Amino acid sequence: EVRLVQSGAEVKKAGESLKISCKASGYRFSGYWIGWVRQMPGKGPEVVGIIWPGDSETTYSPSFQGQVTITADKSINTVYLQWRSLKASDTAIYYCARLWLANEGWFDPWGPGTLVTVSS
Amino acid sequence: EIVLTQSPDTLSLSPGERATLSCRASQSVGISYLAWYQQKPGQAPRLLIFGASSRATGIPVRFSGSGSRRDFTLTISGLEPEDVGIYYCQQYGSSPLTFGGGTKVEIK
Repeated sequence: EVRLVQSGAEVKKAGESLKISCKASGYRFSGYWIGWVRQMPGKGPEVVGIIWPGDSETTYSPSFQGQVTITADKSINTVYLQWRSLKASDTAIYYCARLWLANEGWFDPWGPGTLVTVSS
Repeated sequence: EIVLTQSPDTLSLSPGERATLSCRASQSVGISYLAWYQQKPGQAPRLLIFGASSRATGIPVRFSGSGSRRDFTLTISGLEPEDVGIYYCQQYGSSPLTFGGGTKVEIK
């Protein structure tokens, strides 16, 4: 069974750094792109960026370029999403999801999400 | 960036009725590069349809997708109480991948 397990909820202050994780199991980790998706309260999902765990090639959506960093550690089947300096507007649920059809496809399955709350 | 506009915002129907959800793209996403997801409160989105009309594994046959290029439709034929939730479309015809704003389905 393909599973994506995400790290727990975080409560941070503006200006702090943060790294959340997504551990994959049940399939060949290096064989699929994985994406991070943001969902702000009451809004639709937005793709933050995607990573190819095989060589850590990464593509960011324009709105997120320079704001976050996506990395992967293929030795432990885990991808990460990190911020150097959080803003209150980063408050959201962040999902990781496996991407089908190379780097442009649909997402399935999804992790349960990590709630990130940033206070100002 | 391709913008996806979903309509209506909310659909309120009785059990057994047919639900028709629309997703319109700001430019062509190709013949079939569109997926649909269902999201229930407190849960992650779940894939329903990919390739505009192919049902994902385990998805009931009452869910069907159609359309191409700019106009796509998700139909739920015979609404069940467990179908309440928000439905999102997502295009993968070009980067960046984008989602629509969602249609909320309620049961009367």
